[in-house]
Amino acid sequence: NAGVTQTPKFQVLKTGQSMTLQCAQDMNHEYMSWYRQDPGMGLRLIHYSVGAGITDQGEVPNGYNVSRSTTEDFPLRLLSAAPSQTSVYFCATSGVQETQYFGPGTRLLVL
Amino acid sequence: KNQVEQSPQSLIILEGKNCTLQCNYTVSPFSNLRWYKQDTGRGPVSLTIMTFSENTKSNGRYTATLDADTKQSSLHITASQLSDSASYICVVFRLSNYQLIWGAGTKLIIKP
Repeated sequence: NAGVTQTPKFQVLKTGQSMTLQCAQDMNHEYMSWYRQDPGMGLRLIHYSVGAGITDQGEVPNGYNVSRSTTEDFPLRLLSAAPSQTSVYFCATSGVQETQYFGPGTRLLVL
Repeated sequence: KNQVEQSPQSLIILEGKNCTLQCNYTVSPFSNLRWYKQDTGRGPVSLTIMTFSENTKSNGRYTATLDADTKQSSLHITASQLSDSASYICVVFRLSNYQLIWGAGTKLIIKP
């Protein structure tokens, strides 16, 4: 039982490049979300999904896209990376209104 | 606008001492309130989750209280240990749009 997995663990991008951060869960959770956490700061919600085919914006959605074609996967796409997107990205899953389980995070550096 | 406010921002206590962290919220409609512990460089881990009808919930040395009338919650840590050094985050679940509203956290440092 892997729980919540995120890949890659680390990534360095140049300004303007695009990439996809992967998140997968094997707990059959309906609710999945993406957060970013800047150094010394709290988590900020980027996008979330309450089920396959349903996504919605969080607090800081600009520059990011998501899709949810299956219950298990919730990829986050950076369209054109900017230095302001340097951060640690966490994926989380839960049953609706239940405790969230977080992945180990992806550390992204945009030069 | 800050809908979940935590205090203090940071706290240093000696190992073995107790401490209490505060959380005030204005999120509405309210479904449940959670406390998470986040170690440096790791994802948050859930400590407690309480609905509006629950006043207190314990998880080992961690006890959370909730006053839904005054919209206040606290997390009490008993007999602190060095491993309690972490950020403690208060989170409120807003039912209307299924969003979790996160506080900025309290950074707790336990000194030997």
